[in-house]
Amino acid sequence: QKEVEQNSGPLSVPEGAIASLNCTYSDRGSQSFFWYRQYSGKSPELIMFIYSNGDKEDGRFTAQLNKASQYVSLLIRDSQPSDSATYLCAVMDRGSTLGRLYFGRGTQLTVWP
Amino acid sequence: DTGVSQDPRHKITKRGQNVTFRCDPISEHNRLYWYRQTLGQGPEFLTYFQNEAQLEKSRLLSDRFSAERPKGSFSTLEIQRTEQGDSAMYLCASSSGQGGNTEAFFGQGTRLTVV
Repeated sequence: QKEVEQNSGPLSVPEGAIASLNCTYSDRGSQSFFWYRQYSGKSPELIMFIYSNGDKEDGRFTAQLNKASQYVSLLIRDSQPSDSATYLCAVMDRGSTLGRLYFGRGTQLTVWP
Repeated sequence: DTGVSQDPRHKITKRGQNVTFRCDPISEHNRLYWYRQTLGQGPEFLTYFQNEAQLEKSRLLSDRFSAERPKGSFSTLEIQRTEQGDSAMYLCASSSGQGGNTEAFFGQGTRLTVV
């Protein structure tokens, strides 16, 4: 069973701060990593994906991947109250073209004004 | 709207009844997935279709669950003899299937409550 671990939080940051969300995974050979945002009662929304070691930036979001440490993170700069949601880390099944995802339990983020 | 569409959005049923959910994927996507999510947990994989072929099923998918994707377009997920433990959000996702690194997009989900 492939494991994806996230700190469930809640993580609370003030508006304008940087929110840092972390995720570790058990399968050393995993290649593809995704961050989804999920508002309460809604379905997951893809916000970032990363396949290579290093950083990937998209607007206020930066995904960081360290395959040697089996660690992936998401940084949210200039956090806004609208960023308050649960953030799900997902890892794609290795060696497969099927695209099956393994999810963590999610980290609940609250951005207070 | 060109996203993944699921119907119904909410379903309340009595224990023992059968329910069926529908998913319409993004039109050019040939891969379709069903996941189930319970409160406080991440989505858990149920089954996967590539075109009309069901290629993988999770052990979570008991014999009361069946999924189809006739003609490789929309998909249905049926639960027979529902139990209270089936109460969850059922999520459908689709991806394009081009290469090994493809992003999956989720529909709005169907929230099932078994009473």
